[in-house]
Amino acid sequence: GDSVTQMEGPVTLSEEAFLTINCTYTATGYPSLFWYVQYPGEGLQLLLKATKADDKGSNKGFEATYRKETTSFHLEKGSVQVSDSAVYFCALTFTGTASKLTFGTGTRLQVTL
Amino acid sequence: SQTIHQWPATLVQPVGSPLSLECTVEGTSNPNLYWYRQAAGRGLQLLFYSVGIGQISSEVPQNLSASRPQDRQFILSSKKLLLSDSGFYLCAWSVLTAYGYTFGSGTRLTVV
Repeated sequence: GDSVTQMEGPVTLSEEAFLTINCTYTATGYPSLFWYVQYPGEGLQLLLKATKADDKGSNKGFEATYRKETTSFHLEKGSVQVSDSAVYFCALTFTGTASKLTFGTGTRLQVTL
Repeated sequence: SQTIHQWPATLVQPVGSPLSLECTVEGTSNPNLYWYRQAAGRGLQLLFYSVGIGQISSEVPQNLSASRPQDRQFILSSKKLLLSDSGFYLCAWSVLTAYGYTFGSGTRLTVV
């Protein structure tokens, strides 16, 4: 079945450091890919998405590129802030009214001063 | 604009008591609706999804059930809670899944 693999956390960075959170997927066909963010005690918010190969999703300084050849969708940010501390989930789905979103296990990011 | 409401935000219930969590969506018609659970320190587990009124698909056999009595209302229930039902419950909706889901703010359930 379809699956998403994320790097184990927690990831601890100093403010202004460069962030990479790895995400790879296994799926039959070409899914849409997403990054969601969950701040402490809150629900999930869509951070960015890409719907086809080579698309780059970006939002709030974060970006991720859909790489079909490596089945990856790594999340990056050039300079993290303390306010970026959260859990980040990579996910995939296929187009269709009854398609389900398959999530990775999440990666906790902690940014310190 | 579309909004999703989930309540209550927190709930503490004794073992063996019933449960009812409600989720409603505004500003869209015939959405797909989903219930997820997030156990402490773990990822997201899809519990139920619904593509229409009265249509419920269960992903994981368990102590819970779901119902969709109206187009934009999704209810998660249990007749008798177990300790293992504790977790963070998230409702979500979508129309075109290629564009992702929109999540509610969640209900933190503690069974004691």
